[in-house]
Amino acid sequence: GAGVSQSPSNKVTEKGKDVELRCDPISGHTALYWYRQRLGQGLEFLIYFQGNSAPDKSGLPSDRFSAERTGESVSTLTIQRTQQEDSAVYLCASSLTSGGAGEQFFGPGTRLTVL
Amino acid sequence: AQSVTQLDSHVSVSEGTPVLLRCNYSSSYSPSLFWYVQHPNKGLQLLLKYTSAATLVKGINGFEAEFKKSETSFHLTKPSAHMSDAAEYFCVVSEPGRRALTFGSGTRLQVQP
Repeated sequence: GAGVSQSPSNKVTEKGKDVELRCDPISGHTALYWYRQRLGQGLEFLIYFQGNSAPDKSGLPSDRFSAERTGESVSTLTIQRTQQEDSAVYLCASSLTSGGAGEQFFGPGTRLTVL
Repeated sequence: AQSVTQLDSHVSVSEGTPVLLRCNYSSSYSPSLFWYVQHPNKGLQLLLKYTSAATLVKGINGFEAEFKKSETSFHLTKPSAHMSDAAEYFCVVSEPGRRALTFGSGTRLQVQP
């Protein structure tokens, strides 16, 4: 079956521009996560969605970052006024349930380069 | 608070020799522990997970890990490395009630012919 998909796979933008990244989770997965992976580092949690509950935004690094999710489907991560420090791979994951023991299935990521 | 330390950023082994990737964790509760693998230009894939059942966990592709509470360790092993094992490996911890995973900084495994 289809896994988690993300688009675009690569995005190059100029400093100060806004970007929007998209994630299509596995159908039926109620939980969706966004992570950021800087070069040579592990993943940093950004935001979490679970059904119709209020999202957990505790990992967003600044108010330039925001995300939305339509029901239990597509999510978009928006970065406004991009900075060079935002350059990273942005990964989306989904899982059947929330909570620590549930396996998260990851997409291939969007590589963002801010010039 | 939960945290993960991967003790080696790079490990190089010869094909056919054993693999050991070290991981120590810190958690205030009984954590769930995972190992994920990331091949170049591919998504993260779950290798195995520990969720308070058997302390020796077997995963895919011949990998296994042992949860040692007294040492707060969850090292990943494989008896015989294959060229296809070359990848980045992440040790991950999750506490009950926390939604997000906490990742270690990763260990890059090189397998020499």
